[in-house]
Amino acid sequence: DSGVTQTPKHLITATGQRVTLRCSPRSGDLSVYWYQQSLDQGLQFLIQYYNGEERAKGNILERFSAQQFPDLHSELNLSSLELGDSALYFCASSDRPQLAASYNEQFFGPGTRLTVL
Amino acid sequence: LAKTTQPISMDSYEGQEVNITCSHNNIATNDYITWYQQFPSQGPRFIIQGYKTKVTNEVASLFIPADRKSSTLSLPRVSLSDTAVYYCLVPSNAGNMLTFGGGTRLMVKP
Repeated sequence: DSGVTQTPKHLITATGQRVTLRCSPRSGDLSVYWYQQSLDQGLQFLIQYYNGEERAKGNILERFSAQQFPDLHSELNLSSLELGDSALYFCASSDRPQLAASYNEQFFGPGTRLTVL
Repeated sequence: LAKTTQPISMDSYEGQEVNITCSHNNIATNDYITWYQQFPSQGPRFIIQGYKTKVTNEVASLFIPADRKSSTLSLPRVSLSDTAVYYCLVPSNAGNMLTFGGGTRLMVKP
């Protein structure tokens, strides 16, 4: 158990809909990261928040957005869903603000499996 | 952006040493290279991280040559439970992005 929790575990929805994925980081971790894992694209970094502020942005679509709240939990909002958005979405946390040039061990949650029909 | 390349799959037998290499261009001098292990239907799990020469912990070693264009994860004496997918992860875009390798599926046979 990494200490990172994600809800829901599974989500089935239809094209065009909007969903919200939730993540609670490990106690004391200020950084939250979101990743997408699909069969054709592999693991892709989407976005990082540190103590409520966006820190780094990766391959996140404009239809997707995220935020981190004062209690440090984070939400990933996916809208206008398409079939290709079906994937596993992972949240990770760490105690470091930087992505690079420093030791940064990320702890991953169990993921949310999103199926868009 | 950094581009990472790993072998798609590898087979080994219990008790053998396994070395998995990741090629990565365009990473900065002080950027750390990280390796993760992933079992089916689980999130990746941290194995080891380093930025130069050699790093060793209780489960693996990481070798990084001077040119830093590749890194090799070494798993000593693998067991059946080491059957998993192994990913390298490197920062890119001046530290504003993270790039995963495509993953290496390791199969350990008895």
